Amino acid sequence: QVRLQQSGPGLVKPSQTLSLTCEISMDSVSSDFAAWNWFRQSPSRGLEWLGRTYFESRWHYDYAVSVKSRLTITPDTSNDQFTLQLNSLTHEDTATYFCTREDRGTRCHSPWGPGTLVIVSS
Amino acid sequence: DIQMTQSPASLSASVGDRVTISCRASQNIATYVNWYQQKSGKAPRVLIYAATSLQSGVPGRFSGSGSGTEFTLTIGTLQPDDFAIYFCQQAYSLPYSFGQGTRLDI
Repeated sequence: QVRLQQSGPGLVKPSQTLSLTCEISMDSVSSDFAAWNWFRQSPSRGLEWLGRTYFESRWHYDYAVSVKSRLTITPDTSNDQFTLQLNSLTHEDTATYFCTREDRGTRCHSPWGPGTLVIVSS
Repeated sequence: DIQMTQSPASLSASVGDRVTISCRASQNIATYVNWYQQKSGKAPRVLIYAATSLQSGVPGRFSGSGSGTEFTLTIGTLQPDDFAIYFCQQAYSLPYSFGQGTRLDI
């Protein structure tokens, strides 16, 4: 059974960069059948898709327009994990961040990581 | 971008009731809809994918229907564990988007 475990800071200062890692168990970040996504959730914005990566002949990356200039998702094949880096943080980036596995056939997102509450504050 | 309009925003029900939650997409999305349950402080959990397919391990009292722009999640006989927030999600095209959620209360 695939499991995702998240790690990263819960408090980041404005203008700094957020870095979160999602560690994959019982699957591979290079899987032909999966895409690896990041979402976030806040009371003001609800559930919001941020971006994803997947491997099909080469690595592919898709990003939400709202964060595209600030977001980088990086796969780590050596450790079967993927990371989110979001720079130039503002208070509006305060949210709970989740990673997910997306089945590329059914487009079902399961499992989800447990979530990381990130507060942007000085 | 595709907008998902979910209703109702909140719903009061009792154990044993049958409830339905609706989602409308702003354009035709075939059957690319997932339904999630979320409890306080936890990650969403998928219940239904591809509009009608029951995720492994999910009780059979949950069912989904619809295609095109109109979708429904039905809980056949409410159990105490079902009181939570429910979301629909369109998986037809990027950016993936969600309904605003339905809070199911006793």
